[in-house]
Amino acid sequence: SSELTQDPAVSVALGQTVRITCQGDSLRNYYASWYQQKPGQAPLLVIYGKNNRPSGIPDRFSGSSSGNTASLTITGAQAEDEADYYCNSRDSSSKRVFGGGTNLTVV
Amino acid sequence: EVKLVESGGGLVQPGRSLRLSCAASGFIFSSYEMNWVRQAPGKGLEWVSYISSSGSTIYYADSVKGRFTISRDNAKNSLYLQMNRLRAEDTAVYYCAREEISTLVRGVILGYWGQGTLVTVSS
Repeated sequence: SSELTQDPAVSVALGQTVRITCQGDSLRNYYASWYQQKPGQAPLLVIYGKNNRPSGIPDRFSGSSSGNTASLTITGAQAEDEADYYCNSRDSSSKRVFGGGTNLTVV
Repeated sequence: EVKLVESGGGLVQPGRSLRLSCAASGFIFSSYEMNWVRQAPGKGLEWVSYISSSGSTIYYADSVKGRFTISRDNAKNSLYLQMNRLRAEDTAVYYCAREEISTLVRGVILGYWGQGTLVTVSS
């Protein structure tokens, strides 16, 4: 299967920890990357590979993977982390694929 | 500074064609694989197409295969998406995105994105 499945919405209390998950068969063979998108903006890469952050991404963002599930964890969520988060990978035919996205609310 | 600037979007009638462009600067364009990704209003990201650095390898999403054509001109530092037989469901913001080079990471890394260009298909 080339699908990646995410929960549509997640909420977290300010300063607490939240995990956003992404499931798909392709994740058994390929890492997911994670993107943050705020309204009216282009997506921004926040995590890639095993657990790598691009320059400028706060270290409260981390990634992990087990079996067919990739996870994005935000430790100590801030108000500015409220956004849509998408996972992305490739399938066995080399096509790229995105998860449906998770809307994160910080309360 | 890496920059990707899309252009060519607009209002187009169903069944007509449109060509999107993505102008790249700030990096060696010919060394990077590129993608088109779209986002319908209020919806999630949808991968559209991929092209290798040389242009020799191309992939399409099933939803656009046979109608869209991706291409690049490395001499002009430009990526293109020719969209034919457009449908209402093709209405979206279209982003070009640079795929990062990594020999260590098995996966896809879209490290840089343009700001997108809006395509509206309507009569």
